[in-house]
Amino acid sequence: ETGVTQSPTHLIKTRGQQVTLRCSSQSGHNTVSWYQQALGQGPQFIFQYYREEENGRGNFPPRFSGLQFPNYSSELNVNALELDDSALYLCASSHGLDPDTQYFGPGTRLTVL
Amino acid sequence: AQRVTQPEKLLSVFKGAPVELKCNYSYSGSPELFWYVQYSRQRLQLLLRHISRESIKGFTADLNKGETSFHLKKPFAQEEDSAMYYCALSLNSGGYQKVTFGIGTKLQVIP
Repeated sequence: ETGVTQSPTHLIKTRGQQVTLRCSSQSGHNTVSWYQQALGQGPQFIFQYYREEENGRGNFPPRFSGLQFPNYSSELNVNALELDDSALYLCASSHGLDPDTQYFGPGTRLTVL
Repeated sequence: AQRVTQPEKLLSVFKGAPVELKCNYSYSGSPELFWYVQYSRQRLQLLLRHISRESIKGFTADLNKGETSFHLKKPFAQEEDSAMYYCALSLNSGGYQKVTFGIGTKLQVIP
């Protein structure tokens, strides 16, 4: 069974740029959630995708968007980066029949200068 | 809106001492509550959930709806328990499970 993977591990962007983060779900999982974890904070829910459709969203502006592909891999896109977007971005996959059991990836550390 | 409060950012205990990591939540319905753990240089992982009523690695947690608490307990701390612990609340919000995490408590077990 393959675990959740994320790429890249870390990256540095400048304010105003756009970034795409990637996540490969655990085998057999059709649901993916994205979280933002600022330094010293717990993960904060961004949105969730189920079978390629966004089915839930937290308190994040529209410049945070995502995609889920037929193989259930996923992308998080952030436009017009701001300094406060600097954080660890986590994705977590789960199966639709057991949505509460989430398996987390290692995260992508984004630094915005 | 739902909220999860972990009042202690750091908890230090001696090896063999009892551990209690506090978690309080605010939600008027029937929540599902979880504890996640993150060991050094490892990813976040589920430790236990209240509906399972199980003990994992010697840890237990009881949901107290009257006090809106879900404290994590272990009778005898071990060095390998040192980690970040996050309490989380999950609720079905219009067809999806929205998870709210607390800020986490770092448990440091002193040899």
